[in-house]
Amino acid sequence: QSVLTQPPSVSGAPGQRVTISCAGSSFNIGGRYDVHWYRQFPGTAPKLLIYANTIRPSGVPDRFSASKSGTSASLAISGLQAEDEAVYYCQSYDISLSGFVIFGGGTKLTVL
Amino acid sequence: QVQLQESGPGLVKPSETLSLACSVSGGSIGTYYWSWIRQPPGKVLEWIGDIHYSGISYYNPSLKSRVTISVDTSKNQFSLSLSSVTAADTAVYYCARREGSYHDYYFDSWGQGTLVTVSS
Repeated sequence: QSVLTQPPSVSGAPGQRVTISCAGSSFNIGGRYDVHWYRQFPGTAPKLLIYANTIRPSGVPDRFSASKSGTSASLAISGLQAEDEAVYYCQSYDISLSGFVIFGGGTKLTVL
Repeated sequence: QVQLQESGPGLVKPSETLSLACSVSGGSIGTYYWSWIRQPPGKVLEWIGDIHYSGISYYNPSLKSRVTISVDTSKNQFSLSLSSVTAADTAVYYCARREGSYHDYYFDSWGQGTLVTVSS
């Protein structure tokens, strides 16, 4: 069970907008630690999609956006494309115990 | 563009030590922190730990008693050692470059990953 909770799956039709939530607590997201997002295709390594809550690395389309509020964060993908079908993970830092990096459970995006 | 490549045995016996290396090319291992992250088949990502080129390291509390991460700046390489492995340690192991500051760090470059199976 992950410290950051994501929905197991979301889906949308091409061209639509979908959002993926990432729920945490006061020990992580609510503690004002940044949230970062990754995309992973089957059999490949995760790739950084968003860092520091809202910033897209060079090369990531502006169809991808993210936000953070309170103890939660969300990733939005607009203009959905077939190649967006992948698993998306959120990541933050948790101050409980000795402090450690944490990942969400992952959300499988299906493009209908 | 920095590139990372994991190497090491794909099969380890239970109770033995898992050892992997990550070679960094296209940039110096200096300045950054470098990390190990694993993903059991069909499961979620788990951060194992980080090391700075100076040797400062941080570990996941749940693995700390069994993990050692070391760095060899002369080879531009860092390594993972995980002792007393069990089947639960079967996973794809990734090495990655850590970016960011304080506790707001993230992983901007990843190796392709290497599957390590723990089995007799």
